[in-house]
Amino acid sequence: QKEVEQNSGPLSVPEGAIASLNCTYSDRVSQSFFWYRQYSGKSPELIMSIYSNGDKEDGRFTAQLNKASQYVSLLIRDSQPSDSATYLCAASGQNFVFGPGTRLSVLP
Amino acid sequence: DAGVTQSPTHLIKTRGQHVTLRCSPISGHKSVSWYQQVLGQGPQFIFQYYEKEERGRGNFPDRFSARQFPNYSSELNVNALLLGDSALYLCASSYDLYNEQFFGPGTRLTVL
Repeated sequence: QKEVEQNSGPLSVPEGAIASLNCTYSDRVSQSFFWYRQYSGKSPELIMSIYSNGDKEDGRFTAQLNKASQYVSLLIRDSQPSDSATYLCAASGQNFVFGPGTRLSVLP
Repeated sequence: DAGVTQSPTHLIKTRGQHVTLRCSPISGHKSVSWYQQVLGQGPQFIFQYYEKEERGRGNFPDRFSARQFPNYSSELNVNALLLGDSALYLCASSYDLYNEQFFGPGTRLTVL
């Protein structure tokens, strides 16, 4: 059974701090990894995709992938209250598998 | 550019009824996936279609079925509704099977 696990939340960080979100996956077939942001009552919104080992940066977001450790992370620098949402990690092998999500609260 | 669209946005049904949910993918996208999301959980995979063929099925009962049309739009059918089918049903489209998926706004189904 393919599984994606995420660090349990909720995670609270002060405004301007770095938020660190972690994800592990069990299926070594998984090749592509994605981070989605979901605001309450809304659908998931893609914020980052990463396909190879290492770091990928996009604005305030940095995704990190380590396939040997089956680990994916998302760093949010200079966190803003508008970043408060649930962050979903997804792994794509044969199908997309989502983790349960980590709720992030950025406190003003 | 139009994103993924879904209809209806909200739906209320009673136990035992049947429901059909519809999805139109982003123009140029050939794959549509369906997910069920209950409060506090991540989306659970139901089906993926690519080029009108089923390419993946999640752990859902046979009451759930889907199809994809020649224009790549899709519908999800659920028969004999149960209270536990109450959820947000999400459709996502992607260019092919393994690329990024983009979600529609979802259909909120309530079964009474």
